[in-house]
Amino acid sequence: ETGVTQSPTHLIKTRGQQVTLRCSSQSGHNTVSWYQQALGQGPQFIFQYYREEENGRGNFPPRFSGLQFPNYSSELNVNALELDDSALYLCASSLQGPYGYTFGSGTRLTVV
Amino acid sequence: DQQVKQNSPSLSVQEGRISILNCDYTNSMFDYFLWYKKYPAEGPTFLISISSIKDKNEDGRFTVFLNKSAKHLSLHIVPSQPGDSAVYFCAATRGDAGGTSYGKLTFGQGTILTVHP
Repeated sequence: ETGVTQSPTHLIKTRGQQVTLRCSSQSGHNTVSWYQQALGQGPQFIFQYYREEENGRGNFPPRFSGLQFPNYSSELNVNALELDDSALYLCASSLQGPYGYTFGSGTRLTVV
Repeated sequence: DQQVKQNSPSLSVQEGRISILNCDYTNSMFDYFLWYKKYPAEGPTFLISISSIKDKNEDGRFTVFLNKSAKHLSLHIVPSQPGDSAVYFCAATRGDAGGTSYGKLTFGQGTILTVHP
């Protein structure tokens, strides 16, 4: 069984640019969530997708958007990058229900 | 508004002794709680969870205790091993009315555990 894989592992972007981060869910998992982890903080929930529909969103502006594909893989898109968007972005997949979420290793985004 | 708090940024323990990591929450709607361990350059790894209908859950060396009246949970690691050295996050979530759909996890800030040989 494969885990959650994220790409790329590291990324440097310039303020104002757009970025797309990718995530492949663990086999059999139909739910994917994205989190932002700033340095020294716990992960912050961005949004969740279930069967290609967004079904929960945290306190992030609309320039953070996502997609989930029929194979349950997912993308996180961030437009108009700001310096404060520099963080570790984590993808987590799960089955619906109170099960443990499996996290990927994350993408480290640096905005300069 | 920090709904989940881990008030100890770090904890240092001798190998073989007990490690106790604490977590407090404010949202009484949370009904499922999880602990994750995180090594540098890796994503959080699920350790153990507990539903609000229980007050204790055990898995090998790891035990989680939940005190709903105090809105407090703790993770006990016995005996502690040097390989347990990592950042530990507690997280909380709530289900929908049917208890089948669990949305976002709300994380604490993390506690750095160091286990000395």
